[in-house]
Amino acid sequence: QTVVTQEPSLTVSPGGTVTLTCASSTGAVTSGYYPSWFQQKPGQAPRALIYTTSNKHSWTPARFSGSLLGGKAALTLSGVQPEDEAEYYCLLFYGGPQPWVFGGGTKLTVL
Amino acid sequence: QVQLVESGGDLVKPGGSLRLSCATSGFTFSDYHMSWIRQAPGKGLEWLSYINSGGNPTYYADSVKGRFTISRDNAKNSLYLQMNSLRAEDTGVYYCARDRSWSDDYWGQGTLVTVSS
Repeated sequence: QTVVTQEPSLTVSPGGTVTLTCASSTGAVTSGYYPSWFQQKPGQAPRALIYTTSNKHSWTPARFSGSLLGGKAALTLSGVQPEDEAEYYCLLFYGGPQPWVFGGGTKLTVL
Repeated sequence: QVQLVESGGDLVKPGGSLRLSCATSGFTFSDYHMSWIRQAPGKGLEWLSYINSGGNPTYYADSVKGRFTISRDNAKNSLYLQMNSLRAEDTGVYYCARDRSWSDDYWGQGTLVTVSS
């Protein structure tokens, strides 16, 4: 069974920079996994932030960026705002009969 | 604007059935693949099922394969999830989402399914 692993929690100061990562139990994450990222605040539906590694949706704030880093997918927040406190999920595409797997999520605290 | 609205969530007994619907508007539904994702209480997101824009192919997570069926009616701009043989572990919020570029760009607000005796 494929497992996608994210940091369970991270803390960042307002105005700071933080990088969240997304690893696959199958090996290095490449662009072929089409990594995407979602933000979810309590009581709300998830909101898409990044698709196909580094592409932003029209509503994605400029301070969010996606990349590949050391064999993982990465989401970097630069100039963190208090409203960025949320749970963040990555999604990887594996193809086959069960094409997508979500990571377990990272709870980001802005403190 | 793009809208997805789920409905059909309810309290159901173990072994029971439920049909979820996702009504869409603001885009050409027949042009897009669609997915269902769920979230158990206090837990993370779980991808459940996918359906191609034309209705085939469909894919399912192992946890629901053989019990859940995804379908769509492009004439009604609607997505469905038929859920049979429900278990307590199927409890959660069910989201429909529009697929784009191997991901999901727009999501509904979700509908709550509770499986309990």
